[in-house]
Amino acid sequence: EVQLVQSGAEVKKPEESLKISCQVSGFTFTDYWIAWVRQMPEKGLEWMGTIYPRDSDTRYSQSFQGQVTISADKSVNTAYLQWSSLKASDTAIYYCVRYVSMVRGVYGDFWGQGTLVTVSS
Amino acid sequence: QSALTQPHSVSGSPGQSVTISCTGTSSDVGGYNYVSWYQQHPGKAPKLMISDVTERPSGVPDRFSGSKSGNTASLTISGLQAEDEANYYCSSYAGRYTFVVFGGGTKLTVL
Repeated sequence: EVQLVQSGAEVKKPEESLKISCQVSGFTFTDYWIAWVRQMPEKGLEWMGTIYPRDSDTRYSQSFQGQVTISADKSVNTAYLQWSSLKASDTAIYYCVRYVSMVRGVYGDFWGQGTLVTVSS
Repeated sequence: QSALTQPHSVSGSPGQSVTISCTGTSSDVGGYNYVSWYQQHPGKAPKLMISDVTERPSGVPDRFSGSKSGNTASLTISGLQAEDEANYYCSSYAGRYTFVVFGGGTKLTVL
């Protein structure tokens, strides 16, 4: 069974750092792309970026380039999304999503349960 | 402002059909046959309903169908059921520099 299990909810203060995780099972981690999607409160979905764990090829949406870092650890089948300095506007639910390809048949077929990140002073 | 334009809301009665549109440009929807649709119930993660414009993943009822004409893709739900009430998002591949874009979402109400 394909599963993407994300880390739990976080409450942080502005300027703090944060790293959330997405541990996968039920498929070969290095055969797929793992993307991150943001959903701000009561808003729509925004594609942030993706990583191919086999070679750590990472691509970012222009809106998120330089704002976050996506990484992966093949030894524990886990992808990460991190911030070095959080802002209140980073408050959102973050989903990790499995993509089969980034050049053909580009769709997210399995989603994590979401991680709620709340940034407040 | 989202890259793809969807109606804010649509509604229909049980048993009826509804169509949700998703308008982009020749750089995304019109340029590739890589439009996908996602259903999201409140408090839940999105679920893939349609991939590659018309393909239905295993387990998705055949009441859900997708199509595309030019820069506009559409999701049609026939034989509406109460459990179809949800938010629906379209998405498209947008090339090697933008990668993936989403629509703003459409709230479907089953009357």
